[in-house]
Amino acid sequence: DTGVSQNPRHKITKRGQNVTFRCDPISEHNRLYWYRQTLGQGPEFLTYFQNEAQLEKSRLLSDRFSAERPKGSFSTLEIQRTEQGDSAMYLCASSVDSQPQHFGDGTRLSIL
Amino acid sequence: GENVEQHPSTLSVQEGDSAVIKCTYSDSASNYFPWYKQELGKRPQLIIDIRSNVGEKKDQRIAVTLNKTAKHFSLHITETQPEDSAVYFCAEALDSSYKLIFGSGTRLLVRP
Repeated sequence: DTGVSQNPRHKITKRGQNVTFRCDPISEHNRLYWYRQTLGQGPEFLTYFQNEAQLEKSRLLSDRFSAERPKGSFSTLEIQRTEQGDSAMYLCASSVDSQPQHFGDGTRLSIL
Repeated sequence: GENVEQHPSTLSVQEGDSAVIKCTYSDSASNYFPWYKQELGKRPQLIIDIRSNVGEKKDQRIAVTLNKTAKHFSLHITETQPEDSAVYFCAEALDSSYKLIFGSGTRLLVRP
């Protein structure tokens, strides 16, 4: 399967801990996006990259959130000092040029 | 502002009937309107998209119509089948390479 890959699929952690998620986009896709989805809602945009450059960050992305795409390939999303409200599905998507975005299966984060 | 309103939130139809889901957007600069299908616990999957230079697009049993003047677009599914049961999300963006703004979703149930 050469689709968007996300790891881990599930993450359970205690409030206050730091977590990091990884996204491997489809090969040669130069754009990579992070979204967050809570139960019963549509995905909400967090941030996106073109190659290694982070082009936009949502107001939803507090200073506890940081995303990187160091070599323009995979990306990581880190949440520091997790809070209950961070519990959600974190989705990654990738695209190339003006083609549609393809999503990964997501990482489900649960904060105890 | 960035906002997409999606109706209805739930829709139940008899197998073989048609289903219509409607979305209204606010950003007149938007030019790209995709529809994603999300089954329980799975990734959002693109089923059809339309760009602002066309008013209608069809793909077998699925069609999307766009009215840029009124800022609304609709998904039409004909001859519905039980496997069409899922949550459908509309979205809008400046272009497919930019962030997607999603509606809140429509849960479609096709009764056998």
